[in-house]
Amino acid sequence: DVKVTQSSRYLVKRTGEKVFLECVQDMDHENMFWYRQDPGLGLRLIYFSYDVKMKEKGDIPEGYSVSREKKERFSLILESASTNQTSMYLCASSPSGTSTYEQYFGPGTRLTVT
Amino acid sequence: AQSVTQLDSQVPVFEEAPVELRCNYSSSVSVYLFWYVQYPNQGLQLLLKYLSGSTLVKGINGFEAEFNKSQTSFHLRKPSVHISDTAEYFCAVSDRITGGFKTIFGAGTRLFVKA
Repeated sequence: DVKVTQSSRYLVKRTGEKVFLECVQDMDHENMFWYRQDPGLGLRLIYFSYDVKMKEKGDIPEGYSVSREKKERFSLILESASTNQTSMYLCASSPSGTSTYEQYFGPGTRLTVT
Repeated sequence: AQSVTQLDSQVPVFEEAPVELRCNYSSSVSVYLFWYVQYPNQGLQLLLKYLSGSTLVKGINGFEAEFNKSQTSFHLRKPSVHISDTAEYFCAVSDRITGGFKTIFGAGTRLFVKA
């Protein structure tokens, strides 16, 4: 079974702090994604990566950056956390070279910025 | 740009009753359609997918969905729900872009099964 793990289930940070959310997948997937999930808005894509050291902006990249130094690890960085970044963050991965486009999700990190 | 509309934000239903969760998408040359389920305090997991072929797709846990190209719909159905089906359900559409693909998710439908 594909396993996607996220470093924390719950996180509380103060406004202005630098926040790191880590995601690791164990199935050698090329593609990795970060979404945020808010009630009534579904999932919105923040950043994605199709290869090591490669990143692409999604629909809502403002206030976020990412890092992918190793294939299995994709980190989301909040340079200066703000209260409007309080949300559930979901990481996902998928293999390339197929046409299924199916994504495998981690359990999520619920981030609260006070 | 692709878009996905889930027509109901919440659907309450009694146990063993049938249920339909509605999903409409904006049209494109070719689409790949998905339903994901999110149980409380968990990530999303794939319920079923339509890539091509038969318009009636069967998934896990007794769910099925029908792709209707003329109505741009992909409604999810189950003939008899269980308490354990209480969860949030997301319809999604994927499209090929340079370098890979992009997936757009609907806002979600919260299914609440009552005893």
